[in-house]
Amino acid sequence: EAGVTQSPTHLIKTRGQQATLRCSPISGHTSVYWYQQALGLGLQFLLWYDEGEERNRGNFPPRFSGRQFPNYSSELNVNALELEDSALYLCASSLGQADQPQHFGDGTRLSIL
Amino acid sequence: GQQLNQSPQSMFIQEGEDVSMNCTSSSIFNTWLWYKQDPGEGPVLLIALYKAGELTSNGRLTAQFGITRKDSFLNISASIPSDVGIYFCAGLGTSYGKLTFGQGTILTVHP
Repeated sequence: EAGVTQSPTHLIKTRGQQATLRCSPISGHTSVYWYQQALGLGLQFLLWYDEGEERNRGNFPPRFSGRQFPNYSSELNVNALELEDSALYLCASSLGQADQPQHFGDGTRLSIL
Repeated sequence: GQQLNQSPQSMFIQEGEDVSMNCTSSSIFNTWLWYKQDPGEGPVLLIALYKAGELTSNGRLTAQFGITRKDSFLNISASIPSDVGIYFCAGLGTSYGKLTFGQGTILTVHP
């Protein structure tokens, strides 16, 4: 069974541009989560989507947004990119209940020049 | 907000030795999870704990959910070179869906 898949693996952008990151959850999982792993800051929760709705949001500015599609895949959009947005963006999925363990993909490395 | 303090930050051990790491919090968590992350990869779930006092094993790994719900530990017995990596504790609390992560323990195993 395929795990969580993310694309692209690497993404290079310049300041002010917009980035779109994609995630496909494990088959049967309806919840998708996004985390940012920046050097020195650890893993920080960004967003949680379940059944197409945003359920919870971390302490990030509104230029971080996303959506979940009917097939439960998800996109993370980051607008007006800043240098400090350079990080590994990890997607996780779980069964729909909020207390279910989350399983992670290998991430998208976003580099801002 | 909720924070997790994970210790130690790093460990250098000989192959065959046992390892212990732990996480503490000032807040209560309802679920504790332990992950391992290798370079260039995402965290891989090792053990999930759902009840206070629960003790769970997965091969050479054993983890416990503290009675107060504010702490957890992970033990690795008879370490091997492939145990090298970064170990993270994570908790699910009152902010639904949000995993709060510890700072990680970097494990190095010398053959």
